[in-house]
Amino acid sequence: EAGVTQFPSHSVIEKGQTVTLRCDPISGHDNLYWYRRVMGKEIKFLLHFVKESKQDESGMPNNRFLAERTGGTYSTLKVQPAELEDSGVYFCASSQERQTSGNTIYFGEGSWLTVV
Amino acid sequence: AQSVTQPDIHITVSEGASLELRCNYSYGATPYLFWYVQSPGQGLQLLLKYFSGDTLVQGIKGFEAEFKRSQSSFNLRKPSVHWSDAAEYFCAVGPLYGNKLVFGAGTILRVKS
Repeated sequence: EAGVTQFPSHSVIEKGQTVTLRCDPISGHDNLYWYRRVMGKEIKFLLHFVKESKQDESGMPNNRFLAERTGGTYSTLKVQPAELEDSGVYFCASSQERQTSGNTIYFGEGSWLTVV
Repeated sequence: AQSVTQPDIHITVSEGASLELRCNYSYGATPYLFWYVQSPGQGLQLLLKYFSGDTLVQGIKGFEAEFKRSQSSFNLRKPSVHWSDAAEYFCAVGPLYGNKLVFGAGTILRVKS
């Protein structure tokens, strides 16, 4: 079974440009999450999709960040325009519907973003 | 407020020695606790999780963790460390049903040969 896949694995862009990160969750997982870790900080929650709906986007830092999940399958996270402080690792994760044993959240390898 | 503290930013142990990574949490409800590991160039891999039952949980790669409610701790242990265990380890806490995990700052483990 394929895991959570993310693309691109690494991206270097100039300040002011746009970057779009893509995440393909594990097949059959309705829950999709975005997290990020900026340099020297903790991994922080950004938002949570249940299928195509945004369940919780309380962690999105500002309106330069836009996440979508068309059709409830893959998701994109767009940063426009990118700023220096956006540099870091963006993790996508997915989990199945709620279970009595609790959700296990599976993470991808991350998209490493450097804004110069 | 929910928080996770990993007091040790870096730890160095000799190969074959035992390991304990500390994790303390602050959480208002019944916690759901995780340990993840990130090896160089890799993503976050789940080592183990605890949500109820036996307070000593076994994970992959020979790791175990013990939940101590009275101490709000969930320390990770391994009796004999291998060079391949060198990585960054993250403790996380969340609600019983998925959603927003709160992570600690991570502990970088270095293994001396």
